[in-house]
Amino acid sequence: QQQVKQSPQSLIVQKGGISIINCAYENTAFDYFPWYQQFPGKGPALLIAIRPDVSEKKEGRFTISFNKSAKQFSLHIMDSQPGDSATYFCAAGDDYKLSFGAGTTVTVRA
Amino acid sequence: DVKVTQSSRYLVKRTGEKVFLECVQDMDHENMFWYRQDPGLGLRLIYFSYDVKMKEKGDIPEGYSVSREKKERFSLILESASTNQTSMYLCASSPSGLGVHHEQFFGPGTRLTVL
Repeated sequence: QQQVKQSPQSLIVQKGGISIINCAYENTAFDYFPWYQQFPGKGPALLIAIRPDVSEKKEGRFTISFNKSAKQFSLHIMDSQPGDSATYFCAAGDDYKLSFGAGTTVTVRA
Repeated sequence: DVKVTQSSRYLVKRTGEKVFLECVQDMDHENMFWYRQDPGLGLRLIYFSYDVKMKEKGDIPEGYSVSREKKERFSLILESASTNQTSMYLCASSPSGLGVHHEQFFGPGTRLTVL
């Protein structure tokens, strides 16, 4: 069964809007929470990652919020742009393995 | 730039055939991974290797085997392909660091269709 649950499956946002993707996990051994971005025809690429000792990490327009007690984390894409249209995967890691969520397809309308 | 290459972008095979998927990385990474990607299921780990000739099962190893004879090359083998193995296969690599996570670098994927 999926160790990391991701929602929504897809979302459409207007240019300049905010995209929010949520993930939840059960395994408290997870200690690394990356987000990967995948464009059609390409492999996923690391976008941003957080460790559980911080509650938020921001890189440009992308922010991860992390709630250790709730075992949830989310990706916020601010000022969404058409170039952000892609599939986003959350993941959680222990040792050197990652467990991925099912993915969210984000479409940004111009 | 790290480069992970996969031998084929598209592959069509018949049920029962033995299939080899090859992956090569050029950054001297110790860790290499094979995933399959299916709609609605995300990426699922099939096998990974943390050193030459070393391998460990991932979450869905049934029907697959792997080989790592050289550090830069990691092969996924479908001993007898079945239609339920039709999928996108992704290879990834990362540097080592026990207990420390590093970015995984992915290849472009091989879309395998088993007829």
